[in-house]
Amino acid sequence: QQPVQSPQAVILREGEDAVINCSSSKALYSVHWYRQKHGEAPVFLMILLKGGEQKGHEKISASFNEKKQQSSLYLTASQLSYSGTYFCLGNQFYFGTGTSLTVIP
Amino acid sequence: EAGVAQSPRYKIIEKRQSVAFWCNPISGHATLYWYQQILGQGPKLLIQFQNNGVVDDSQLPKDRFSAERLKGVDSTLKIQPAKLEDSAVYLCASCSSYNSPLHFGNGTRLTVT
Repeated sequence: QQPVQSPQAVILREGEDAVINCSSSKALYSVHWYRQKHGEAPVFLMILLKGGEQKGHEKISASFNEKKQQSSLYLTASQLSYSGTYFCLGNQFYFGTGTSLTVIP
Repeated sequence: EAGVAQSPRYKIIEKRQSVAFWCNPISGHATLYWYQQILGQGPKLLIQFQNNGVVDDSQLPKDRFSAERLKGVDSTLKIQPAKLEDSAVYLCASCSSYNSPLHFGNGTRLTVT
């Protein structure tokens, strides 16, 4: 039931872009994205509720493909503050496997 | 608005002992979740409440874990008896309605020795 994320880990230099994918074996009706920094609680980034819906938040955006049961998170022009572990949350219940993102100067 | 409150922040117990965690959600949030997060893994849903009713507890190890939300506000999660593999951070989250953002507390870090 747990959505699978890829890649598991990624290291970026400041200013580079990244894409994080979330794939579910079950039908997805909604997807949330959260970022968790070490030792802290997850923090909400965005929700996608409809197939094909794309949402943006500063330089972070996401898409949702209901048919493919997938969502992707796009981080552009990464900043040091983007470092952390990113989780998708499928159907308000199940967190994905997580993607560790490290941004270096 | 005040955030989700959890206590204690840290707890160390020996195996076979019992432990309880407390969570007070954001005022007005009908939905409350308990998650278990083992180091290096994503949060795993243990139980979801809608007001004082259980929506999903399919992943709660009911032989040792119990949870209640008697008045539809704050909630307690209990482990009795604890095992070594219960060492984890226990996160409480709440939301105002389905498909609204989850707000998390700071969690309780449990160490079972």
